[in-house]
Amino acid sequence: GENVEQHPSTLSVQEGDSAVIKCTYSDSASNYFPWYKQELGKRPQLIIDIRSNVGEKKDQRIAVTLNKTAKHFSLHITETQPEDSAVYFCAAIRGNQFYFGTGTSLTVIP
Amino acid sequence: EAGVTQSPTHLIKTRGQQVTLRCSPISGHTSVYWYQQALGLGLQFLLWYDEGEERNRGNFPPRFSGRQFPNYSSELNVNALELEDSALYLCASSLGARQPQHFGDGTRLSIL
Repeated sequence: GENVEQHPSTLSVQEGDSAVIKCTYSDSASNYFPWYKQELGKRPQLIIDIRSNVGEKKDQRIAVTLNKTAKHFSLHITETQPEDSAVYFCAAIRGNQFYFGTGTSLTVIP
Repeated sequence: EAGVTQSPTHLIKTRGQQVTLRCSPISGHTSVYWYQQALGLGLQFLLWYDEGEERNRGNFPPRFSGRQFPNYSSELNVNALELEDSALYLCASSLGARQPQHFGDGTRLSIL
């Protein structure tokens, strides 16, 4: 089955700096990779996603890159703000298989 | 547009009991997913329903089961509750597989 590894598990950055979270997957047939943000006590919310036919996608301060050969994808947050503090989950999806990473707790220090 | 709604928000049960959790998807969504999120851990995939059929299940014992109704709402049933079943149970819906999943607020289940 699929195995999704997410690193780091915790990340602290100064406000205004960039944050990068990386996920690796094992199943080369995975073809859809969403990222979710979960604030404390709230539901996970989709923030960005990428499909296997695209190498990079950007939405304002958030970007995701996908390297199909190396089987990893990364979330990049630029100009971080305190409200970016949350747990971020990656996922790799293939057909009817859904696998989530273990999450990264991001703290943005004002 | 109403989001995914789940009920109840909180439940307290004892070992051996049974519980039913409910989920209403976003209007137009035919796929419903159930996840277990234990405290401090990631999301573990439980079940996926689409068009009334169970399409896939995660690595959970048979005492975790569910169904999807003709209006696409769904129930998750857990029998013979164990202490380790204490978790946040999240439901999500989407237009189909490989489409963005939208989550509900979850049901917090505590087993005493």
